[in-house]
Amino acid sequence: EAGVAQSPRYKIIEKRQSVAFWCNPISGHATLYWYQQILGQGPKLLIQFQNNGVVDDSQLPKDRFSAERLKGVDSTLKIQPAKLEDSAVYLCASSLGQRVTEAFFGQGTRLTVV
Amino acid sequence: SQQGEEDPQALSIQEGENATMNCSYKTSINNLQWYRQNSGRGLVHLILIRSNEREKHSGRLRVTLDTSKKSSSLLITASRAADTASYFCATVPYNTDKLIFGTGTRLQVFP
Repeated sequence: EAGVAQSPRYKIIEKRQSVAFWCNPISGHATLYWYQQILGQGPKLLIQFQNNGVVDDSQLPKDRFSAERLKGVDSTLKIQPAKLEDSAVYLCASSLGQRVTEAFFGQGTRLTVV
Repeated sequence: SQQGEEDPQALSIQEGENATMNCSYKTSINNLQWYRQNSGRGLVHLILIRSNEREKHSGRLRVTLDTSKKSSSLLITASRAADTASYFCATVPYNTDKLIFGTGTRLQVFP
């Protein structure tokens, strides 16, 4: 079975520019997560979708971050404008049902803001 | 916000030794999970223990859960160099569907 796909793998942008990340979860998985992982820290949940509805976005900086999950399948996360402190790995994960069990992670997108 | 804190932050052992890492969390949970992260394979699920379970085994892994102390431990027996990675506990807080990660333990296993 194909895993969670993310692109791009790496991105370098200047501060105040915008950037978008794409995620394709495992087929049939209802739940999709976006996490931000700063070097040396644990993943921080940014937003969680159940099908195409938002379950939780309490940690998403909504003045600059936005995310959508069209038709309950793939998802995009956007940052506009980027700040230096946004430099991190952005991880996408998916899990099968509505009750949280095992989550499957993509390889992540490493963002560097200069 | 992080729900869990792992202890120790870093651990170095020799191959063949056992490694124990602990996780403390703040609120009641539905379940607790352990994940491994290394540069080659990203974040990988290891084991899940439900709030009504006290101990679970999977291969060389043993997980315990003490809900009264809001803590869990992960024991890796007979460690191998390939176990070198960061280990994270992740909790699903009670009455939510969120998956919240802790701060992690970096394990180094020397050959």
